[in-house]
Amino acid sequence: NAGVTQTPKFQVLKTGQSMTLQCAQDMNHEYMSWYRQDPGMGLRLIHYSVGAGITDQGEVPNGYNVSRSTTEDFPLRLLSAAPSQTSVYFCASSYSTRGNTEAFFGQGTRLTVV
Amino acid sequence: AQSVTQLDSQVPVFEEAPVELRCNYSSSVSVYLFWYVQYPNQGLQLLLKYLSGSTLVKGINGFEAEFNKSQTSFHLRKPSVHISDTAEYFCAVSEGPGGSNYKLTFGKGTLLTVNP
Repeated sequence: NAGVTQTPKFQVLKTGQSMTLQCAQDMNHEYMSWYRQDPGMGLRLIHYSVGAGITDQGEVPNGYNVSRSTTEDFPLRLLSAAPSQTSVYFCASSYSTRGNTEAFFGQGTRLTVV
Repeated sequence: AQSVTQLDSQVPVFEEAPVELRCNYSSSVSVYLFWYVQYPNQGLQLLLKYLSGSTLVKGINGFEAEFNKSQTSFHLRKPSVHISDTAEYFCAVSEGPGGSNYKLTFGKGTLLTVNP
């Protein structure tokens, strides 16, 4: 059981380039989320999804797009990378069973924009 | 809106000493509270969670936390730490009931360094 898988683990982009961070989960979780982690800032929510075809913005959505065509996958797209998007990105998945709630995190993608 | 304050950004301790990592939260509704641990260059792992019931919650690796509603706190404790506990610890909150665990609000983290 792989859990939450993120690819790539590391990426260097030039300013203005686009790329997609991949996230896949094999636990049949209905909820998926993207966070970014910056030094001294903790983790901040970028976008989230409560099911296939349903997405919404989190605290810091600007510069990022998401879509959820399947339960398993939740890619994060950077349309035109900026140095301010240099960060570590984490994908998480979870489920809604009341009384037993936990988010499972991937290993992260470290992105550097130069 | 909910928020989380971790009162110490760094906590150095000696091996086998007790430790307390402090967390305060604010929310206008009932909450679910979590502590996560992040070892270097890894993802986040759940240490423990408070959903309801007993205010003293026990987690993995000998950690425990106490939910105090009147003080809006959820401090993490361990009576005797090991070198392997060196990591960054994050307190997080989601609005309950139902959890909304896809919308966690995190504190800024506390780096626990255990010295020999």
